[in-house]
Amino acid sequence: TQLLEQSPQFLSIQEGENLTVYCNSSSVFSSLQWYRQEPGEGPVLLVTVVTGGEVKKLKRLTFQFGDARKDSSLHITAAQPGDTGLYLCAGPPREYGNKLVFGAGTILRVKS
Amino acid sequence: KAGVTQTPRYLIKTRGQQVTLSCSPISGHRSVSWYQQTPGQGLQFLFEYFSETQRNKGNFPGRFSGRQFSNSRSEMNVSTLELGDSALYLCASSLIQANTEAFFGQGTRLTVV
Repeated sequence: TQLLEQSPQFLSIQEGENLTVYCNSSSVFSSLQWYRQEPGEGPVLLVTVVTGGEVKKLKRLTFQFGDARKDSSLHITAAQPGDTGLYLCAGPPREYGNKLVFGAGTILRVKS
Repeated sequence: KAGVTQTPRYLIKTRGQQVTLSCSPISGHRSVSWYQQTPGQGLQFLFEYFSETQRNKGNFPGRFSGRQFSNSRSEMNVSTLELGDSALYLCASSLIQANTEAFFGQGTRLTVV
């Protein structure tokens, strides 16, 4: 069982559509990070959310951290083919000390 | 500022052999972590090094080891390779702690045949 559950696992949408990816846990996290990874490359950090209820925007991407700091979401508005990739959430659960735990990821494919 | 550099990018080894992978972190970053990524298990934490000392360790067998040098560069070694060790091995550097923002290298794709 993954400590961080991501859903959906796979998403295939048309250019211009909106989508939301979820990252849930029963553990409390001091922060959560979102990464995007393209095939054959390492993950690239998109954002870090730290405060419960925090909302951060990065152009068409909106990230939210749950009030209880157990969940997060990534919303993409008007998706573009360049958004295609594997989206990973990650964070240090309280009981794991300094280790960063990753969700299994959401594969997003945006068709033009 | 140069990013995280991993070498080599691709490697093919035979079962039973050993392999050493290298990682140069971002200048000034003192924490280096290693991860194994496979389609079935996702990103799994191997270990973290800070100031030449292993600070955290994941649930991997003793065949997986690592070290960090005084210039923060790190190496990981896998001995007695098994087919199941085929994976993308990623190195991540952080300023101080592995649980803060991590900056990843491009990874080393290891194939064991």
